[in-house]
Amino acid sequence: GAVVSQHPSWVICKSGTSVKIECRSLDFQATTMFWYRQFPKQSLMLMATSNEGSKATYEQGVEKDKFLINHASLTLSTLTVTSAHPEDSSFYICSASTGGLRNEQFFGPGTRLTVL
Amino acid sequence: AQTVTQSQPEMSVQEAETVTLSCTYDTSENNYYLFWYKQPPSRQMILVIRQEAYKQQNATENRFSVNFQKAAKSFSLKISDSQLGDTAMYFCAFMKGPNTGNQFYFGTGTSLTVIP
Repeated sequence: GAVVSQHPSWVICKSGTSVKIECRSLDFQATTMFWYRQFPKQSLMLMATSNEGSKATYEQGVEKDKFLINHASLTLSTLTVTSAHPEDSSFYICSASTGGLRNEQFFGPGTRLTVL
Repeated sequence: AQTVTQSQPEMSVQEAETVTLSCTYDTSENNYYLFWYKQPPSRQMILVIRQEAYKQQNATENRFSVNFQKAAKSFSLKISDSQLGDTAMYFCAFMKGPNTGNQFYFGTGTSLTVIP
């Protein structure tokens, strides 16, 4: 089956610093990648949709200048949390879609971000 | 906008018994997809089962089956012969039809505990 990886799996940073999270599709080309945020015991909230070679589409209420998304290739998307604050601490999950009629989405294992 | 509702925040079931998780959704779309995802303590999202709205036949995957009632906009998941490894969060998800962006809309989740 299709595999999506995320790196790092866990990151701790100081308030005010920036953190980059990578999402890679390992054995397929992802036309679209998605970034989600999940707080403890809550559901996944879509943050943005990322298409290769174009600007990401952000969901309402998500600050595009704070959560920078780059989708430079068909196998890599990055999420950079700029000037992180403790309230940005969360679990970030990416997924990758092959497109087409089946609309399959494959999820990464997630990245736990803790901002001190 | 699409909304997905899971009215059971927590459920438990005895090992080997059957349990049904409920999900309702609201949409004006006629063509769409519905999914059940499992999220164990590892936080990795795992696809359990999917249903295309245009198919009247309920999807089945081994011990997992759905009761899809399109008119009622209901999509419940039945787990038969429950196993300890089924303990997890279960999320119901909605996706619009092809070429619409592939965004998932998730329910709030049901925490299922299988009791030995």
